[in-house]
Amino acid sequence: DAGVIQSPRHEVTEMGQEVTLRCKPISGHNSLFWYRQTMMRGLELLIYFNNNVPIDDSGMPEDRFSAKMPNASFSTLKIQPSEPRDSAVYFCASQRDEADTQYFGPGTRLTVL
Amino acid sequence: RKEVEQDPGPFNVPEGATVAFNCTYSNSASQSFFWYRQDCRKEPKLLMSVYSSGNEDGRFTAQLNRASQYISLLIRDSKLSDSATYLCVVNALYNFNKFYFGSGTKLNVKP
Repeated sequence: DAGVIQSPRHEVTEMGQEVTLRCKPISGHNSLFWYRQTMMRGLELLIYFNNNVPIDDSGMPEDRFSAKMPNASFSTLKIQPSEPRDSAVYFCASQRDEADTQYFGPGTRLTVL
Repeated sequence: RKEVEQDPGPFNVPEGATVAFNCTYSNSASQSFFWYRQDCRKEPKLLMSVYSSGNEDGRFTAQLNRASQYISLLIRDSKLSDSATYLCVVNALYNFNKFYFGSGTKLNVKP
């Protein structure tokens, strides 16, 4: 079975540009999570969807970040405008049921110059 | 106070050694517990779930102590390929099903 799929794997952009990260969760999984990982702050939860509905977005840093899940097989995380401090690895993870384990995608390594 | 705390290490051990990691969690209502492994520049991957009675998977043993609110991972006969960062994870069903990740413990197994 295919795991969680993320694209692009690497993104280099300039400050002020819009960045869109994409995620396809594992088929049949009901929950989707977006995380950000940096050396300084570790793994941080940005937003959590259940059945395509955002349940908790308290981790979204500011209004420049937005996430959508238009259907069960696709989600996007958008940063507009991007800033150098957004440079990090962004992971998407999916989960079949609550209390089940989460499966991570390979991540998108974002560099904002 | 962080939800999950781990010693960052690094733990530098020779091949064949036994090494143990501990992790503490702050909320006694936490219900599910996991150990994840993360290799350099890769995504976290589930190593094993942690059950109340303790559980073993080959060279790996996980234990949970609810009274003291800590989780442990024991690796026996360590291999070079065990070198990675080990993340302790607590599932907070009481808080929107959040997974709280520890900052990770780095293990270096040397020949």
